[in-house]
Amino acid sequence: EAGVVQSPRYKIIEKKQPVAFWCNPISGHNTLYWYRQNLGQGPELLIRYENEEAVDDSQLPKDRFSAERLKGVDSTLKIQPAELGDSAVYLCASSLDRTGGEYTIYFGEGSWLTVV
Amino acid sequence: GQQLNQSPQSMFIQEGEDVSMNCTSSSIFNTWLWYKQDPGEGPVLLIALYKAGELTSNGRLTAQFGITRKDSFLNISASIPSDVGIYFCAGQGAQKLVFGQGTRLTINP
Repeated sequence: EAGVVQSPRYKIIEKKQPVAFWCNPISGHNTLYWYRQNLGQGPELLIRYENEEAVDDSQLPKDRFSAERLKGVDSTLKIQPAELGDSAVYLCASSLDRTGGEYTIYFGEGSWLTVV
Repeated sequence: GQQLNQSPQSMFIQEGEDVSMNCTSSSIFNTWLWYKQDPGEGPVLLIALYKAGELTSNGRLTAQFGITRKDSFLNISASIPSDVGIYFCAGQGAQKLVFGQGTRLTINP
């Protein structure tokens, strides 16, 4: 079974340019997450989707970040315009909600963004 | 954003030694997870703990879910070179996963 697939793996852009990341979750997983991981830190949640609904976007900087999951499967995360401080790894993850609240979150390999 | 207190931040050990790391939180979690992240890769799940007091093993790895639901530890026995990497604890509550800052493990052969 394929894991969480992300693209691109690496992206270098100039500040003020736009960038987009794509994620395909594990087949059948209804919950999808976007995390940002700064160097030397643990991942921090940006947004969580249940199917196509964004149920937690409290940590998403909405002035420049946007995300969508139109059909409840694939998702895109966009930054426009990018700033130097946006350099980080953007991790997509997915999970399948189970009865009793037991569910495990699986991560993709990440999209490594460098803004110059 | 909220993060867990994970310690130690880094460890330098000899091959064959045992390793212990832990996480504490001021919040209660329903699930504790331990991940390993290699350079250039995403976090890979090692162990998931779903019940307070639960002790779970995965090969040379053993992890426990603290009885207060505010802490967890991970032990690695007889370390080998491929154990090198960054280990993250994560507490899960209300479908939100909160991470520790990681323990960087370095092994001298």
